[in-house]
Amino acid sequence: DTGVSQNPRHKITKRGQNVTFRCDPISEHNRLYWYRQTLGQGPEFLTYFQNEAQLEKSRLLSDRFSAERPKGSFSTLEIQRTEQGDSAMYLCASSSLTYEQYFGPGTRLTVT
Amino acid sequence: AQSVTQLGSHVSVSEGALVLLRCNYSSSVPPYLFWYVQYPNQGLQLLLKYTTGATLVKGINGFEAEFKKSETSFHLTKPSAHMSDAAEYFCAVSDRFSGGYNKLIFGAGTRLAVHP
Repeated sequence: DTGVSQNPRHKITKRGQNVTFRCDPISEHNRLYWYRQTLGQGPEFLTYFQNEAQLEKSRLLSDRFSAERPKGSFSTLEIQRTEQGDSAMYLCASSSLTYEQYFGPGTRLTVT
Repeated sequence: AQSVTQLGSHVSVSEGALVLLRCNYSSSVPPYLFWYVQYPNQGLQLLLKYTTGATLVKGINGFEAEFKKSETSFHLTKPSAHMSDAAEYFCAVSDRFSGGYNKLIFGAGTRLAVHP
């Protein structure tokens, strides 16, 4: 069990560019979550996958954001036409049938 | 809608002193309750959780928390602070009847400082 991994750990991009983040959950965890954390705040829920199905999306997830989980394994979060307000830490978590979510180290996005 | 309030964005204690971090939730039905810790530039680590049963739950690193339904609280305590406890602590809740999954709703966090 190697834990949840996220890549890249840091991403600096210019406003208007597209970025994609990857999350590899703990193997055999069928549930995967994305959260966003801005400075000085707690994480906020973005979206949830059970296996490959995206079952819930927060209103925070504008149409510039898209998430996928092909084959129910790793997941990607893409942000199109980035804005300065997208600067945040993007956290991925996974869980099995218990209620414990295991978090990855996060991807810190800075939009200049 | 559920919400979580953490009283005190910053708490400072001396090494060896009692740690008390406060968390209150707002929910029509008692939710599942969690405390997470976050060290700088890292993800969140689960300290402890309450789902059912005994209302005093023990977690890792000597932390414990007590669920008090009448006070809608889930305060985190540790009898004796250690320098390594300095971090950001988040209280979180999830819906008990969410249909099989549990998105977490977090408080704003409390930054714990421990001084010699």
